[in-house]
Amino acid sequence: DVKVTQSSRYLVKRTGEKVFLECVQDMDHENMFWYRQDPGLGLRLIYFSYDVKMKEKGDIPEGYSVSREKKERFSLILESASTNQTSMYLCASTQSGRVPSYEQYFGPGTRLTVT
Amino acid sequence: GESVGLHLPTLSVQEGDNSIINCAYSNSASDYFIWYKQESGKGPQFIIDIRSNMDKRQGQRVTVLLNKTVKHLSLQIAATQPGDSAVYFCAENTNFNKFYFGSGTKLNVKP
Repeated sequence: DVKVTQSSRYLVKRTGEKVFLECVQDMDHENMFWYRQDPGLGLRLIYFSYDVKMKEKGDIPEGYSVSREKKERFSLILESASTNQTSMYLCASTQSGRVPSYEQYFGPGTRLTVT
Repeated sequence: GESVGLHLPTLSVQEGDNSIINCAYSNSASDYFIWYKQESGKGPQFIIDIRSNMDKRQGQRVTVLLNKTVKHLSLQIAATQPGDSAVYFCAENTNFNKFYFGSGTKLNVKP
């Protein structure tokens, strides 16, 4: 059974704090993604990674950075949290290959509140 | 159907009826589409997919229809059950492994 796990389900942080969100997948997938989900706006891509130590900006990378030191782990970092980063954060992974599997497997999400 | 914005459309159906959820996508070059189901407090879960060289695909109790002419996607759920209550959204793929997601439609199944 495929699995994507996220380090926290709920997180409350103060404005200005540095925040780490961790995501781990056990499917040996090459590609990993971070999204945020806000009411009525759908999922928006923050960053993604095609391989270890590789990262690419998504549609809303401002205020975020990422780290992929190991294939199974993709971290999202909020350098200085702000209230407009209060959101649900979702991690996903997909397999690469000659015939890629496009299906994205999602983690359960981390609901972050910045006060 | 789905729309971008703060308001999440809601579809209410009676248990046992069929449900149809609609999605308008934006990019005529999109070649792959997925429907996801998201229950409260959980991450999105894959339901069914379809490639742009098809116009219909069936799964267990679900059917996806694709109309490329008007850039429209629909999800049909047969004999809707209370466990189908969730938010449903479509995703379109243009670039390899990069998806764009709709905002979702909330399906409410009345017993």
